[in-house]
Amino acid sequence: AQSVTQLDSHVSVSEGTPVLLRCNYSSSYSPSLFWYVQHPNKGLQLLLKYTSAATLVKGINGFEAEFKKSETSFHLTKPSAHMSDAAEYFCVVSEKFNNDMRFGAGTRLTVKP
Amino acid sequence: NAGVTQTPKFQVLKTGQSMTLQCAQDMNHEYMSWYRQDPGMGLRLIHYSVGAGITDQGEVPNGYNVSRSTTEDFPLRLLSAAPSQTSVYFCASYSRANSPLHFGNGTRLTVT
Repeated sequence: AQSVTQLDSHVSVSEGTPVLLRCNYSSSYSPSLFWYVQHPNKGLQLLLKYTSAATLVKGINGFEAEFKKSETSFHLTKPSAHMSDAAEYFCVVSEKFNNDMRFGAGTRLTVKP
Repeated sequence: NAGVTQTPKFQVLKTGQSMTLQCAQDMNHEYMSWYRQDPGMGLRLIHYSVGAGITDQGEVPNGYNVSRSTTEDFPLRLLSAAPSQTSVYFCASYSRANSPLHFGNGTRLTVT
């Protein structure tokens, strides 16, 4: 079965500096990959998705992620952090025709003023 | 503009009690899922449905039942609550396999 490993449980950055949240995946087939964001006491919101088109995927709020098959990675980046980016981020993998989407354990992003 | 609606928002149960978590969506999505979220474990799939009358088990189905009599509704039943079921529960709907999930705002359940 497919699986996801988020390499950092907590990332802390200063406002205005770059953000890097790391995600490695395991999949037997061509995967679909997603990043979701969860603000405190809220549901999850889709940031971006990769479904075998362009390997560099742009999402909402200035986030982007690059699919690297050779490294089985799908890291999330943003050039300049904003205070409103403080939240929990989840990397998700699913396989074609598979309804079992697997979530990573999450990375909590803290943004310092 | 409701999307996915979950009720209740909070619930406290005693061990052995039963209850139903409600989930409704108004986007005409065929697929719906239930997840539980526990600290440090991300979200884990409990049950899912690919259409009215069709349900299947996910990663952690034990202790939970579901049914799907209409496209809109996908209730989750706890028949005999246990402290291990203390968690935050999220319902999600999606249009087809591998499409993005649309989440409700969650139900925080505590079992004492």
